[in-house]
Amino acid sequence: DQQVKQNSPSLSVQEGRISILNCDYTNSMFDYFLWYKKYPAEGPTFLISISSIKDKNEDGRFTVFLNKSAKHLSLHIVPSQPGDSAVYFCAVYSNYQLIWGAGTKLIIKP
Amino acid sequence: GAGVSQSPSNKVTEKGKDVELRCDPISGHTALYWYRQSLGQGLEFLIYFQGNSAPDKSGLPSDRFSAERTGGSVSTLTIQRTQQEDSAVYLCASSLQGPNYGYTFGSGTRLTVV
Repeated sequence: DQQVKQNSPSLSVQEGRISILNCDYTNSMFDYFLWYKKYPAEGPTFLISISSIKDKNEDGRFTVFLNKSAKHLSLHIVPSQPGDSAVYFCAVYSNYQLIWGAGTKLIIKP
Repeated sequence: GAGVSQSPSNKVTEKGKDVELRCDPISGHTALYWYRQSLGQGLEFLIYFQGNSAPDKSGLPSDRFSAERTGGSVSTLTIQRTQQEDSAVYLCASSLQGPNYGYTFGSGTRLTVV
């Protein structure tokens, strides 16, 4: 059974609007969460992370929200830009292991 | 198997010893990548294989690190004379050739150097 789920395989957003990418996890003991971005034919690059002691972490246009009671985190990108088109992976770092979601393909429309 | 398989899942070794980490990619995937995830850090690229050749070794942190891939399939990452700073999760991923194919990660090998 998947421990980290990204239920939307793809998402299409108008340039300039907000992109919201969602991720759910099953284990309430998970305590460190990461988002990665991946362009075609390249490796994933680290975007932003959050630990369970926080409920929000912001870095420029990127904000990650963590709802521990719902076991849910989301990545907000505001405003969305064409260069944001990529696959976004949610990952959980627990006990020195990384558990990955399947990814969401974000398409920014001009 | 259906996914990328890495072994061992967990390895504890003494400083100064050599270790070998294995990656078995998805059958038919020609591209193979090694990454390292240290505590609290983002993913660090190590090396990329296309078939048996490694066009990009730029991420290997020192000459103690080497990797090979045989038969276009299994890859081995070797760390010689391990140091404590080598402790991390080592991730392998594979993908089909081409920009529209997904990128599948293994679950990693947790290496602890004591």
